[in-house]
Amino acid sequence: AQKVTQAQTEISVVEKEDVTLDCVYETRDTTYYLFWYKQPPSGELVFLIRRNSFDEQNEISGRYSWNFQKSTSSFNFTITASQVVDSAVYFCALPFSGGYNKLIFGAGTRLAVHP
Amino acid sequence: KAGVTQTPRYLIKTRGQQVTLSCSPISGHRSVSWYQQTPGQGLQFLFEYFSETQRNKGNFPGRFSGRQFSNSRSEMNVSTLELGDSALYLCASSLGRSLDFYNEQFFGPGTRLTVL
Repeated sequence: AQKVTQAQTEISVVEKEDVTLDCVYETRDTTYYLFWYKQPPSGELVFLIRRNSFDEQNEISGRYSWNFQKSTSSFNFTITASQVVDSAVYFCALPFSGGYNKLIFGAGTRLAVHP
Repeated sequence: KAGVTQTPRYLIKTRGQQVTLSCSPISGHRSVSWYQQTPGQGLQFLFEYFSETQRNKGNFPGRFSGRQFSNSRSEMNVSTLELGDSALYLCASSLGRSLDFYNEQFFGPGTRLTVL
């Protein structure tokens, strides 16, 4: 079965701290993509990254970085020097097998960054 | 480029009524997916439309239906509303090219439906 687990329900940090959000997935597919989305209080899901299972290189985009480890089926997301604007719920997602745009989402991690 | 728009943003209905939600995708996007978000069940896939055809369906009762028009705009309908249908309904659009299964999806702001 395909599954996405985000074990951290809520994380609270003080501004400028680094924070890592965990994502563990299960899939029988040999080729797959993984996604991270951010949901600020406004409710709209904001696309952050799409990663192909072929590419295990870490990716960095500004203060955001992602660590993809196929051996442990994990796709973790790190925010460096967190800011109050990073406060949101973050979702990791995996497409259903052959499911085109049908995504399985994790339960989400609520990040609160305090000044 | 304009983003995904959803109307209305908020809706209050009573049990037994029906409701129609609308989604306009990003220009050029042909795939529209619908998701239901509730505190208990999280984000769950409802269905996806591509070129006016339903391409994927989630595990929801037949009271939930949708359609897509030739301009890619989509509507979803919920009949005989139940209290448990109270949720944020999110629409997502993507290019939906058939050879590229995993396009990034861009989400709208959602419609918050409250059933009393």
